[in-house]
Amino acid sequence: NAGVTQTPKFQVLKTGQSMTLQCAQDMNHNSMYWYRQDPGMGLRLIYYSASEGTTDKGEVPNGYNVSRLNKREFSLRLESAAPSQTSVYFCASSRDRVAGANVLTFGAGSRLTVL
Amino acid sequence: ELKVEQNPLFLSMQEGKNYTIYCNYSTTSDRLYWYRQDPGKSLESLFVLLSNGAVKQEGRLMASLDTKARLSTLHITAAVHDLSATYFCAVDSGSSNTGKLIFGQGTTLQVKP
Repeated sequence: NAGVTQTPKFQVLKTGQSMTLQCAQDMNHNSMYWYRQDPGMGLRLIYYSASEGTTDKGEVPNGYNVSRLNKREFSLRLESAAPSQTSVYFCASSRDRVAGANVLTFGAGSRLTVL
Repeated sequence: ELKVEQNPLFLSMQEGKNYTIYCNYSTTSDRLYWYRQDPGKSLESLFVLLSNGAVKQEGRLMASLDTKARLSTLHITAAVHDLSATYFCAVDSGSSNTGKLIFGQGTTLQVKP
């Protein structure tokens, strides 16, 4: 079982460059999420998608765009990378409200450095 | 705005000792999650607490939820080295159980032999 797969695992960008982080899940989950993790700040939600074709902003959406291509895939795009976007990015998915809970399954993470 | 705060942020303890991690949150919620993260790894779900007074236990870890106090605790009993990790609590920010979680800062636990 692959679960949630993120690519790339590591990326170094120069300020102003663009890139897309890819995420795919094979668990038939409806909801998908992008979080970023910075030291001492826990994880912060960037964007969320409840279903194919729908997206919603999270806590820190500025500088990012997302696309829910289909039920399996949810991509995160940085149009013009800034050093403040240096972080570890996690994609997650959930099946929605199983027994009242919404447990997220996380990918392995993508470490992005912006110089 | 929902805020989630954990304390302590760093905990160094001896094997065999007991300790408690605290998670406070600022608005009403009856869904609280605990996750574990090993260094350089992803997050793994530990517990889901869905109502006031809920208690879950697995091995040496026990989590509880007091929704009136807006407080969850993660109690570690007789710590062992394998429990060394960072522990996060998270609260669902949406009224409709969206899974849009707000995370605490994390508590890094270091268990020394």
